[in-house]
Formats: sequence, C-alpha cells, structure tokens
Amino acid sequence: AQRVTQPEKLLSVFKGAPVELKCNYSYSGSPELFWYVQYSRQRLQLLLRHISRESIKGFTADLNKGETSFHLKKPFAQEEDSAMYYCALLNAGGTSYGKLTFGQGTILTVHP
Amino acid sequence: EAGVAQSPRYKIIEKRQSVAFWCNPISGHATLYWYQQILGQGPKLLIQFQNNGVVDDSQLPKDRFSAERLKGVDSTLKIQPAKLEDSAVYLCASSPVGRGRGINEQFFGPGTRLTVL
Repeated sequence: AQRVTQPEKLLSVFKGAPVELKCNYSYSGSPELFWYVQYSRQRLQLLLRHISRESIKGFTADLNKGETSFHLKKPFAQEEDSAMYYCALLNAGGTSYGKLTFGQGTILTVHP
Repeated sequence: EAGVAQSPRYKIIEKRQSVAFWCNPISGHATLYWYQQILGQGPKLLIQFQNNGVVDDSQLPKDRFSAERLKGVDSTLKIQPAKLEDSAVYLCASSPVGRGRGINEQFFGPGTRLTVL
C-alpha cells in the first residue's frame, strides 16, 4: 500500500532563514510526487511536481529514491510562505490510476 | 477559467440526519474526485469518477455514503445517516485527463465543512 509521511505537524522559522519540509513515501512502483499548498482562506493548489524539476516561488523538491524522500526546500523563507503544505503521491497504475495519497500536512509559519 | 464549485460551503446537522453535497468541476474535466479531510489530517480519497463511471470507491463507506455523476459533469455526495465521525471538510477536485492518458494536476474546490452534532 502506498503511504506518505510528513513527520512535522508544525514548523516555525524566521524570515530569511532556510526552510525544509520533510516528506517520506512508501510505494512499490515508480513514484510521482507533488507538493500542494493551502494558504489561509484559499483552496488547496498545486505548488510543484517532481517530474517538472521546476522551482516555484523559490521552492524546490528533489526526489531521492534511495531514501524514499521528497523534501521541499527554500533557501530564504518569506512571510507569505506561511501556509499548510501537503506532500502527495500519485497512483500511476492499476485500478486507482490518478488517485492521490496525501501526507498529514505541515503548517509552516514564517515570523517577521 | 472558472474553478471547481462546491455547495454548500458549511453544513451543520444532527447525527442520523441526511446531507448532500454538490460539485461542479471545471468544464471539460473528465475525472472527478471526492476527498474527506478530517481535522489535522490530509485529504483522503473517497471516490473517483471518470466521466460518469466509478474508477475507485474502495474507501467509501458504502453503508452510509453514496455518490453519483449521472451526466459526467456535476456530482453529488450523500451521507445517510450521518455519524459524529463524519465531521470533516469534503473536497471535490477535477482533472482534465482520464485513465492511462498521462498525469495531470488536480484542481480543488473550496470544500464543504460538515459538522455533525
């Protein structure tokens, strides 16, 4: 069974500090991973996906198959980064194609 | 492009009552998902439709939950009868492609917050 673990429920940093939100996964196939974000009073939205190898709003995430991790990183946090972040794993095969399995989420607070 | 619409936004009911939620996906999106998000947890998939067919309902409590997408567009999710543990946010999402045709972003609605007293 596929599983996503985000070990930190809360993460607080000061503006300008580096931030890393941890995500570990369990999946028997080739994983497709995403980070979704929910800002206050907004709907859940995609932040980035690993297959795109992109940097969005200064965030990057590298898939490490050896450590089964997909940590989200930003070198200099901004106050507007404060939000709930979810790591998600896509089921890319079988009868549940397209199903996303989400982690528990991490609330990031960036203090001024 | 209009986003995924859901109604109502909030609903308070007593246990053993019935409730229904409505979702209108983004126009042209073949795949529609209903998620349950209990406070402090990530969203959990309840049911996935492709057009008007069910792809996955393995985590839907079928003794009390039902969902339909009759014309392959709008969808309704019903709970009958509700239990206290059904208190959660119910999220609808849609995606533009169906099974086996690539991996696409899911677009989420604002959710319906259900409180069962």
